[in-house]
Amino acid sequence: QSALTQPASVSGSPGQSITISCTGTNSDIAGYNYVSWYQQHPGEAPKLLIYDVSNRPSGVSHRFSGSKSGNTASLTISGLQAEDEADYYCNSYTSSSTLVFGGGTKLTVL
Amino acid sequence: QVQLQESGPGLVKPSETLSLTCTVSGASVSSGSYYWSWIRQPPGKGLQWIGYIYYSGTTNYNPSLKSRVSISGDTSKNQFTLKLSSVTAADTAVYYCARDRLLGGLDFWGQGTLVTVSS
Repeated sequence: QSALTQPASVSGSPGQSITISCTGTNSDIAGYNYVSWYQQHPGEAPKLLIYDVSNRPSGVSHRFSGSKSGNTASLTISGLQAEDEADYYCNSYTSSSTLVFGGGTKLTVL
Repeated sequence: QVQLQESGPGLVKPSETLSLTCTVSGASVSSGSYYWSWIRQPPGKGLQWIGYIYYSGTTNYNPSLKSRVSISGDTSKNQFTLKLSSVTAADTAVYYCARDRLLGGLDFWGQGTLVTVSS
């Protein structure tokens, strides 16, 4: 299985909104509504931000939202804050009953 | 509060078998509501899903690692274990265990443990 495709880096200024894309295939993103997103700060374990495409776990800020269209999922962060600077990973269930991650996107808050 | 803790050797020799255990507290590995997964992250690189085990003993693995990976569970100790055979330097990574909410995301993670493959 090939990794999902994410941009290597994105950036934005405080208060702005940014969107990170995650592109897969008919065998993963397009075929199932089981896309999740994770935030990882340096030296820490990943943290679940979004599950099942657009659902937020309890305690996750409403500034984080997810969506999907065809074989591409997206994570949008609104009202960008300095603490949002981190690496972000998408993940999808696949037709082989496995999971696959994206390559990760480094978010820089200018 | 659900907690997961990885344990095992931090240094493994090439061609040997890497073995890590994840001890779970605050949840039961025999619960039918979750999968229990292993994920790894080579230094400076992205996340790679390794595989999962279900309470029934059903397992599934990343196709790229399938020939070398085995995940087993010990309900009496509330633990699950990863074994990766014939390791090389490319297997050097931080290894995480995590709870998978049956396709609802990996919601609890261990802190991760660095395993270095070197002679």
